[in-house]
Amino acid sequence: QVQLVESGGGLVKPGGSLRLSCAASGFTFSDYYMSWIRQAPGKGLEWVSYISSSGSTIYYADSVKGRFTISRDNAKNSLYLQMNSLRAEDTAVYYCARQNFQLLKGWFDPWGQGTLVTVSS
Amino acid sequence: DIQMTQSPSSLSASVGDRVTITCRASQSISSYLNWYQQIPGKAPNLLIYAASSLQSGVPSRFSGSGSGTDFTLTISSLQPEDFATYYCQQSYSTPYTFGQGTKLEIK
Repeated sequence: QVQLVESGGGLVKPGGSLRLSCAASGFTFSDYYMSWIRQAPGKGLEWVSYISSSGSTIYYADSVKGRFTISRDNAKNSLYLQMNSLRAEDTAVYYCARQNFQLLKGWFDPWGQGTLVTVSS
Repeated sequence: DIQMTQSPSSLSASVGDRVTITCRASQSISSYLNWYQQIPGKAPNLLIYAASSLQSGVPSRFSGSGSGTDFTLTISSLQPEDFATYYCQQSYSTPYTFGQGTKLEIK
């Protein structure tokens, strides 16, 4: 079955770095755009970044631009998020999600279970 | 950025009720609108894509409608497992944005 499993979350000090991974299975990973989406504790959903199937097109939310880097390894069926210069406001559960398209309309499905990143001294 | 506004932010209802949640975009997004359900402690789950298409495996009591700036999610007859938080999301342009969520609680 289609599955996404995130890892790499944890506690990090402000200004620190963390690398999240998302392992995909059950579908042809190299055919799909992928996104990272986060949710601060008790808050709503915030899209963070997406990467095209080949990795040639990347977008970021302004809140993470210049600090976060999305990447993928299609040979390993894996998506990554390198997070640098972390701030307290980056504390959240980070989800990876597959992007599906039909006639240019896109949606996120499925989502991984999420990995918690806590930025605190 | 396109702002997505849901109403109400919270809603109390009973099993068997018909419920409607509204989502308004700050500019026209055609039918680039999706709905997700999130149960506490779980990842969001896709219910409706492209404004009105029911995701495979989602019960038919869920339906979506709308185009342009105004959209609705309707649950025709609430079941106990439907008490959750619902989010709309636009995929018209980046940054993709979500509504603030509607928490559906048991009356």
